[in-house]
Amino acid sequence: EVQLLESGGGLVQPGGSLRLSCAASGFTFTTHALSWVRQAPGKGLEWVAVIDGSGANTYYADSGRGRFTISRDNSKNTLYLQMNSLRGEDTALYYCAKGGSGNYYQWPISDHWGQGTLVIVSS
Amino acid sequence: DIQMTQSPSSLSASVGDRVTITCRASRGISTYLAWYQQKPGKVPELLIYAASTLQSGVSFRFSGSGSGTDFTLTISSLQPEDVATYYCQKYDSAPWTFGRGTKVEIK
Repeated sequence: EVQLLESGGGLVQPGGSLRLSCAASGFTFTTHALSWVRQAPGKGLEWVAVIDGSGANTYYADSGRGRFTISRDNSKNTLYLQMNSLRGEDTALYYCAKGGSGNYYQWPISDHWGQGTLVIVSS
Repeated sequence: DIQMTQSPSSLSASVGDRVTITCRASRGISTYLAWYQQKPGKVPELLIYAASTLQSGVSFRFSGSGSGTDFTLTISSLQPEDVATYYCQKYDSAPWTFGRGTKVEIK
């Protein structure tokens, strides 16, 4: 059974940093792309970033480019999102989502999602 | 960046009704489109990818069509368990933008 367990969320002041983690199990971690998708309270889904199975290729939404860094540790089956210079508009539930194992076009097809970790940016 | 416009933003229909949701891309995206369902308080679930391919385990009540700029998600016979918000997502190239969602309710 595929499981994705996010952690690391919390309350942080504007300008602060936070690192989210997503522990994965139940699938061959190294062959699948992984994404972070966020959802502000009462709002829709916003894709944040993706990383391929090897960790060599990453893509970001404009909202996080230059502030967020997605990475993975394939020895620990764990995905990360380092978030710096946080703003109020980054307040959201952050989901980890498992993507495809094939080419670039498979990466964002997210067939399993974690329960999310809540990030609140406020003074 | 390509914008994804979903319509309607919400709808109310009766059990058994055929429901259609549309998603329009501001430029052509071939068939690189997925649909997700998010029930109230729940995690999103993949319904359809490649515009029309049903994800394993998803009810055959759901179908998708379209290519280029115009796409449709159809629920052939609305059921109470289909109450949810539905999102399209384009994935021809980054950024992989979601539509703003369509909230489906039972009349």
